[in-house]
Amino acid sequence: NAGVTQTPKFQVLKTGQSMTLQCAQDMNHEYMSWYRQDPGMGLRLIHYSVGAGITDQGEVPNGYNVSRSTTEDFPLRLLSAAPSQTSVYFCASRSSGGSSYEQYFGPGTRLTVT
Amino acid sequence: GDSVTQMEGPVTLSEEAFLTINCTYTATGYPSLFWYVQYPGEGLQLLLKATKADDKGSNKGFEATYRKETTSFHLEKGSVQVSDSAVYFCALRATGGGNKLTFGTGTQLKVEL
Repeated sequence: NAGVTQTPKFQVLKTGQSMTLQCAQDMNHEYMSWYRQDPGMGLRLIHYSVGAGITDQGEVPNGYNVSRSTTEDFPLRLLSAAPSQTSVYFCASRSSGGSSYEQYFGPGTRLTVT
Repeated sequence: GDSVTQMEGPVTLSEEAFLTINCTYTATGYPSLFWYVQYPGEGLQLLLKATKADDKGSNKGFEATYRKETTSFHLEKGSVQVSDSAVYFCALRATGGGNKLTFGTGTQLKVEL
C-alpha cells in the first residue's frame, strides 16, 4: 500500500513551458485534491475532485487544469508556466465516507519556474 | 472569510523542553480544528483534532484544547524530542463541512540535543 504518490519530486521549468504533475493513490479514495504551499501563505486549494469524471475549482485555480479519468489518478496540468507558479505542490486524497480532515497527503513536488 | 494565524518560526528548543505553538482562528459558527505535522521530505500527516468547543485532541504526547472564548487551539508538548523536529500546521474546517481545509502558514520546530 503506497498511499499517495507524486512525481516528479523536483522540476525546473522555463516561463511558458507546460508540464503535468502526477498524483496517484491506491486506497480507492473518491476525493482527491491539489494544494500549493508558499512561504507565509500556508496551503491553498487549487482544484479538487469528488470522483472519476468530476472536478471543481478551489481557492486558486487560475493557470491550472485537472481531469479525473480514473479513481486512482488526478494529474495537475500547467499549460503555460509562470514564475508565480513556483511553489511546492501537494496532492491529497480521502474516502467519501470520512470527514475532510482525514486526508492523506503525498510527499510533494517542488516546482521552480524561471 | 475563514483564516488561521500561527506563530512564526523557527522555534528552536533543547530536548526535553516544553513546547507551545500558538494558533488562533477566525471563522463563523463552530469549525473543526486540526494540527498537521510535516516531517522533512514527507507530506502532511494529521496529528490531532478537536471538533467542538472544550474538546482536547491528543496524540504522541501532543495536546491542544479547542477554546471557543479565545478562538485558539494552541499545540503543547511537555517534553520534546529531536524526532519532533518538523513543520506544524494548524487548520480548520468550516461549520457545515465541505472539502475545504483552511491552513495556517506553518511553524518550523527544531529540537537540539
